[in-house]
Amino acid sequence: EDKVVQSPLSLVVHEGDTVTLNCSYEVTNFRSLLWYKQEKKAPTFLFMLTSSGIEKKSGRLSSILDKKELFSILNITATQTGDSAIYLCAVFEGGKLIFGQGTELSVKP
Amino acid sequence: SAVISQKPSRDICQRGTSLTIQCQVDSQVTMMFWYRQQPGQSLTLIATANQGSEATYESGFVIDKFPISRPNLTFSTLTVSNMSPEDSSIYLCSALGGSTDTQYFGPGTRLTVL
Repeated sequence: EDKVVQSPLSLVVHEGDTVTLNCSYEVTNFRSLLWYKQEKKAPTFLFMLTSSGIEKKSGRLSSILDKKELFSILNITATQTGDSAIYLCAVFEGGKLIFGQGTELSVKP
Repeated sequence: SAVISQKPSRDICQRGTSLTIQCQVDSQVTMMFWYRQQPGQSLTLIATANQGSEATYESGFVIDKFPISRPNLTFSTLTVSNMSPEDSSIYLCSALGGSTDTQYFGPGTRLTVL
C-alpha cells in the first residue's frame, strides 16, 4: 500500500531555532514530492521536488529530496512565530496526491 | 498558479440535510479534486472531478453520499448528502493544471453537522 510518513508529528521550538521536518514515502510510481504549509484551512504550496540532491530554497525554508533513500526534508532556519503551522508532505503518484499525517510546528516567542 | 475560490466558507447544518459546495478556478485546469480533512487529521482524497464524465471516487467514498459535478474546466461542486455529525470536516477543492504536478487548494469549507 502506498504511504507517506512524516516525523515528528509535533514539534515545539523557540524563535531563532532551526528545525528539520522529515518525510519518507513508499509509492509504486513516484513522480514528485510536494510540501505544503497549512495554517488555518487551505494548504499553501511551498515546494515541489522531482530530482534527487537538488535543494529548493525560499527565504528561510529549504527542501531536498533523496530518491534512493525515499525521503525528503524541509528545513526552516531562524524560526519565527509566524512559522507555526502544520507542514504537510505529499507524493504525486498515479494522478493524485498522497498526503502524510503532517507535522505540527509551534514556535514560541 | 491557479486561484481557487470556494463557497460557502463555512456552514452549520442539521443532520439528514444536504449541502453543496462550489469551487471556482480562475483558469482552465486539467484536473480538479475534492479532499476532506477531519479534525486533527491530514487530507484524504474523496474523488477526482472529471469534466464531462462521472467522478472517480477513492475507496470508502461513494457517489450517493458525495455526488460531484464538473460541467466545465473551471468549476466543480461537491454535495455532502444526508449528513451526520461524522461528516463534520473541512472540505477542500484543489486543482492541477499545466505541465507540473503542483496542486493548489481553495480556502476550504468548514462544515459542522449538528
